[in-house]
Amino acid sequence: QVVLTQSPSASASLGASVKITCTRTGGHNSDSYAIAWHQKQPEKGPRFLMRVTGEGIHDKADGTPDRFSGSSSGPDHYLTISGLQSEDEADYYCQTWASDSVIFGGGTRLTVL
Amino acid sequence: QVTLRASGPALVKPTQTLTLTCTFSGFSLNLDGMCVSWIRQPPGKALEWLARIDWDDDKHYNPSRKTRLTISKETSKKQVVLTLTNVDPGDTATYYCARTARCVDGDCFCDPNWIDPWGQGTLVIVSS
Repeated sequence: QVVLTQSPSASASLGASVKITCTRTGGHNSDSYAIAWHQKQPEKGPRFLMRVTGEGIHDKADGTPDRFSGSSSGPDHYLTISGLQSEDEADYYCQTWASDSVIFGGGTRLTVL
Repeated sequence: QVTLRASGPALVKPTQTLTLTCTFSGFSLNLDGMCVSWIRQPPGKALEWLARIDWDDDKHYNPSRKTRLTISKETSKKQVVLTLTNVDPGDTATYYCARTARCVDGDCFCDPNWIDPWGQGTLVIVSS
């Protein structure tokens, strides 16, 4: 069974960069899994940011700013946000599809200092 | 413009059946490759995927909730309906529906890793 593990929290200063990690465990042929990233701002619905293939190629949604990027290295998947802005303060969820089911990570709460 | 909106009762009693409706616009669930999912978020907790229905009426459920869930579509009304039986306070959550397909130049491909866009959610409280 595939599980996605995220650190509960992260923080970085305004204008800095931050890398949010999502680690996949379980399943088989792990390198072939794609990961998606979603943003959940306070009092708003979730927003899809991008999909990152198992090869680390990211495919962004229309409207996702260029300062958001995704990458992968084996079971670890990363969402990097550069030039942090105050509106980036949100919960970030990784997500994948495995065994005919969508699986979400526990989410990372990003604080912009 | 693609929009989705979840609606349903704000308060449901334990053991009752919860019926939620997703009303969408800007696309057709008749279109090959189109899919719609339901996802929820209990207060203070993570997102949880519940179910997906595809253009060809294929249905997929969260294995841990499968026995209590039914998803269906009313294509002419542009609606997707989710029912959850025998609710308890643990089902208190904001429920969202979302298109689950990537559309490029009019061609759509159902993709469980492309949940976009999400609709406006509806908060359901289960309490006696």
